[in-house]
Amino acid sequence: GAVVSQHPSWVICKSGTSVKIECRSLDFQATTMFWYRQFPKQSLMLMATSNEGSKATYEQGVEKDKFLINHASLTLSTLTVTSAHPEDSSFYICSARAGAETQYFGPGTRLLVL
Amino acid sequence: AQSVAQPEDQVNVAEGNPLTVKCTYSVSGNPYLFWYVQYPNRGLQFLLKYITGDNLVKGSYGFEAEFNKSQTSFHLKKPSALVSDSALYFCAVSPPAGYQKVTFGIGTKLQVIP
Repeated sequence: GAVVSQHPSWVICKSGTSVKIECRSLDFQATTMFWYRQFPKQSLMLMATSNEGSKATYEQGVEKDKFLINHASLTLSTLTVTSAHPEDSSFYICSARAGAETQYFGPGTRLLVL
Repeated sequence: AQSVAQPEDQVNVAEGNPLTVKCTYSVSGNPYLFWYVQYPNRGLQFLLKYITGDNLVKGSYGFEAEFNKSQTSFHLKKPSALVSDSALYFCAVSPPAGYQKVTFGIGTKLQVIP
C-alpha cells in the first residue's frame, strides 16, 4: 500500500516552455501532498505544500507564479514549471501524506531545461 | 525550530558486518522520527518511523532504529549489511501530533563493500 506515482520520470524541454509534472496517490487518498526539489548530493528542499481544494502553501523563496501547483482531487497534484530556464533543471519529487504523519514519495522527475 | 543532523556524509561497511547510520535531532516536545532510503535517480522509500511506544523500531528490509530521548538520537541499524543496501539514507523529524512539517537531514551515503 501507500504507492505514489509521478509522471513523467524524465523530461527535456527548451528554455521558455512550460512543463507539467503529475503526482498521484494510487491506493490511498491524500488531502496533503508535498513538492520537493533535490539538488545533486543535497537533501530535499520543500517547495510547497499542496492541500486538496485549496491554494498551495509555498516555502520562503519559492516563486509561486513560476511553480504552479494544483491539487484538484484527493489523488492528484500537479506542478507546472512555467517559462522554464536552465537553472530550473533539477530532480523534483512529490510526496503524499497517508494519515497524520507519514509521507510516501513518488519516484521523482528529472527535468533538464536546454 | 526543528532540525536534523546526520554527522556522516558517507559510511562504508563490509558486506555481512553490522551497520549504523547516525541521526540526531532537535525539536520541541516528543518527536516523530523517520528514516527513508533513496536509490539513484529514485524517490525516497519509507523504512520506518517512531511515533510512540517501544524505543526500538523495526522496519523494512531488516532495518531497525533506536530512539534515545536522552541523547536525542535515532540511529539506523542493521545486523548484517548487504551490497544492495548501498544507497542514500535520510533521517527526518517532525513535532508531535500529526499534520506537521517534516524536516529532513542532509543524507548519509551508505556504501557496502563486497
